[in-house]
Formats: sequence, C-alpha cells, structure tokens
Amino acid sequence: KAGVTQTPRYLIKTRGQQVTLSCSPISGHRSVSWYQQTPGQGLQFLFEYFSETQRNKGNFPGRFSGRQFSNSRSEMNVSTLELGDSALYLCASSLEYRDTEAFFGQGTRLTVV
Amino acid sequence: SQQGEEDPQALSIQEGENATMNCSYKTSINNLQWYRQNSGRGLVHLILIRSNEREKHSGRLRVTLDTSKKSSSLLITASRAADTASYFCATDAWGNTPLVFGKGTRLSVIA
Repeated sequence: KAGVTQTPRYLIKTRGQQVTLSCSPISGHRSVSWYQQTPGQGLQFLFEYFSETQRNKGNFPGRFSGRQFSNSRSEMNVSTLELGDSALYLCASSLEYRDTEAFFGQGTRLTVV
Repeated sequence: SQQGEEDPQALSIQEGENATMNCSYKTSINNLQWYRQNSGRGLVHLILIRSNEREKHSGRLRVTLDTSKKSSSLLITASRAADTASYFCATDAWGNTPLVFGKGTRLSVIA
C-alpha cells in the first residue's frame, strides 16, 4: 500500500512568487491535513480537509490557501512568498475525519530566496 | 492553546540506556499521541493513548498519561542508535479541533 506522497520534495522560489504543493493521501483515506514545520515554531497546523471541505484552518494569513479534490488529493498554495515561508510543509492523511492516527508524507522543503 | 510542550528539548544517552521524554498540555484532551521524526523527514506514528487510559505499551515503548496533571511521558527502553530522532507529542480535544503538536524532544543515542 503506497504511503502519502508529496510533490515536489524540494522547491526554491523567489520572494513574491507563488507556489503550489501537492499531496496524494493513502488510497481510501479521505481526510488530509497540512502542517508547516520550522526550527523556531515547530509544527504549526495549516488546514484540515475532509470530503472536499475545509474543516479547520490554522492561524495563518490569507496568502495560504488549500483545497481538496474529489479523489481526496489535496493542494496548498502560498502566494506572494516571503522569506519566512521557508519551511518543511508536511501533509498527513487519515482514514476518516477526526480519525485517531495520521500518516505523514516525507514533506516538501520550500526555500524562499 | 492546547499545544503540548515536550521536556527536555534535547536528550543524549548511551545505547542500552532508557530514554524518558515528557509532554505537558494545557486543556482537556480526547487522545494523546506520540510521533517520531527522523531528520527532516515525515512523522511516524508510535502510539496513542486515550484520555481514559493511564498506561500503554508497544514493544520497547511505554506511555503514561496523567490527566490530572495534564502530562504524559514516553519511555524507550534499551535504546538503540536507530532510535536517534525527534519525538513529538500531539493532542486532540473534543469537538472540531485539529491535532496539535509540541515542539519535540531531540533524542541522540550514542553507540
């Protein structure tokens, strides 16, 4: 059974640009969550999606957005990139909404220069 | 915020020794989980303990939960070099709240 797949694994962008990150959950999983991980702030919750609906949103500016498709795949978009957006972005999938165990992908390492 | 706080931030031990990490949180929880992260990679689920449980075992892992003190501990017995990683506790509360992670304990096991 394939795990959670995040693409791309590494990304370098320039300030002011926008970026789209992709997450394919484990087959059959319907819930997807996104986290931003930085050395200073740790793991910060971004969004949680279930059945194409955003169920929760973390305390991030409107430049951060996401969506989930009918096949449960999810994307997140960051517009007008800032240096502080450099981080490891992690996606996690669960079988159902509010399921107890989350399965994480390897993450996308975004560097903003 | 119900964010967990792990203690210590970093821990260095010799192979074969036991490692204990602690997690404290602020609000009532539904479940508490522990995850491991190898350097710069995704998190791996280790163990889940429900709010009505006090202790749970999985292989060399032992987790305790004290809801009156809002704290949990993770014990890794007979540690191995391969246990070197960061360990995070994560809590979820009742209702529409997401899984919230602490900042982690970085464990180094020296062979």
